[in-house]
Amino acid sequence: NAGVMQNPRHLVRRRGQEARLRCSPMKGHSHVYWYRQLPEEGLKFMVYLQKENIIDESGMPKERFSAEFPKEGPSILRIQQVVRGDSAAYFCASSLSTGVVDTQYFGPGTRLTVL
Amino acid sequence: SQQGEEDPQALSIQEGENATMNCSYKTSINNLQWYRQNSGRGLVHLILIRSNEREKHSGRLRVTLDTSKKSSSLLITASRAADTASYFCATDSGNTGKLIFGQGTTLQVKP
Repeated sequence: NAGVMQNPRHLVRRRGQEARLRCSPMKGHSHVYWYRQLPEEGLKFMVYLQKENIIDESGMPKERFSAEFPKEGPSILRIQQVVRGDSAAYFCASSLSTGVVDTQYFGPGTRLTVL
Repeated sequence: SQQGEEDPQALSIQEGENATMNCSYKTSINNLQWYRQNSGRGLVHLILIRSNEREKHSGRLRVTLDTSKKSSSLLITASRAADTASYFCATDSGNTGKLIFGQGTTLQVKP
């Protein structure tokens, strides 16, 4: 059973470009979470999605960031008009359910560098 | 501010010694989880302890939870060089499952 897949693993963008980060959850998992990790810091929650629905986006910046999890295909985190401060590692996690004792399994992350 | 705060921020020990890391949090929780992150890699889930549990073991790992003090500890016994990594606690306190992470403890185990 493959784990959580993320691609690309490394992404370089110039200021003003768009970044698209993809996440394929573990087989059978319908809950996806996105987190951001700045250098030397812990992970910060961004958004929680179920198939075709955004459940909690309290950690998403109000502008330029969006996320989706379509019925078919991977979850996408999209950052428009990137700025240097967006440089970070972006991690996706998936879980089988959102029960109070459910484990989130993390992907390897996408490291975004904005030049 | 962060829900979870780890202590110490950095820890350096010799192979074979035990390593203890602590985590404090602010609000009531459903569960608390510990993760390991090797440099430049993703997170590996180590152990989950529910709010109604006080202690849990998994191999060389021992986790305790004191909800009255809002704190948890992770003990790694008989450490190995391969245990060198950053360790994060994360709390789940809402009804959406989102995790709140601490800043992490960086552990170095010298061979």
